[in-house]
Amino acid sequence: EVQLVESGGGLVQPGRSLKLSCLASGFTFSNYGMNWIRQAPGKGLEWVASISSSSSYIYYADTVKGRFTISRDNAKNTLYLQMTSLRSEDTALYYCARGTRYFDFWGPGTMVTVSS
Amino acid sequence: VQMTQSPSYLAASPGESVSISCKASKSISNNLAWYQEKPGKANKLLIHSGSTLQSGTPSRFSGSGSGTDFTLTIRSLESEDFAVYYCQQYNEYPRTFGGGTKLELK
Repeated sequence: EVQLVESGGGLVQPGRSLKLSCLASGFTFSNYGMNWIRQAPGKGLEWVASISSSSSYIYYADTVKGRFTISRDNAKNTLYLQMTSLRSEDTALYYCARGTRYFDFWGPGTMVTVSS
Repeated sequence: VQMTQSPSYLAASPGESVSISCKASKSISNNLAWYQEKPGKANKLLIHSGSTLQSGTPSRFSGSGSGTDFTLTIRSLESEDFAVYYCQQYNEYPRTFGGGTKLELK
């Protein structure tokens, strides 16, 4: 059974950093592209970043480019999102999702709240 | 690519059929997916490639369209179908989602 479990969310002050993790199981992690997608409270889905299976290709939304870094450790079956210079508008539920084009499995998400 | 969904809200009764529209700001071929969001459950991929049902998606769901205009149709609504639905294009980066359609019980 495919499982994706995010962790690392919490309350953080504006301007500070936070690192999210997504532990994958039930499939060969190193064969799949992975993504971070977020959802602000009461809002729709916003794609954040994607990384290819071997980390050769990485893409970011303009809203996070230069502040967020997506990475992965295939030996640990784990996807990461390093978030720096956090802003109030980064407050959201952050999901990891499997796939290169569309997203066929999603985790339950981890909540990030940016507030002083 | 901007994705525009309509309507934002839709009220229907079990047994009815409904359609949700998704329009792309430029042609995306058939590179479109539909998702279902329900409280307490992981988001579910329903359809990809515009009209291909993902494994496990009930046959009462169907997708159509190509280019810029797409439609998700649900025939004979069941109670479990009341949820929020999103379209998403994957023709290019950045990947973009529609604003969502909340399907409510009338």
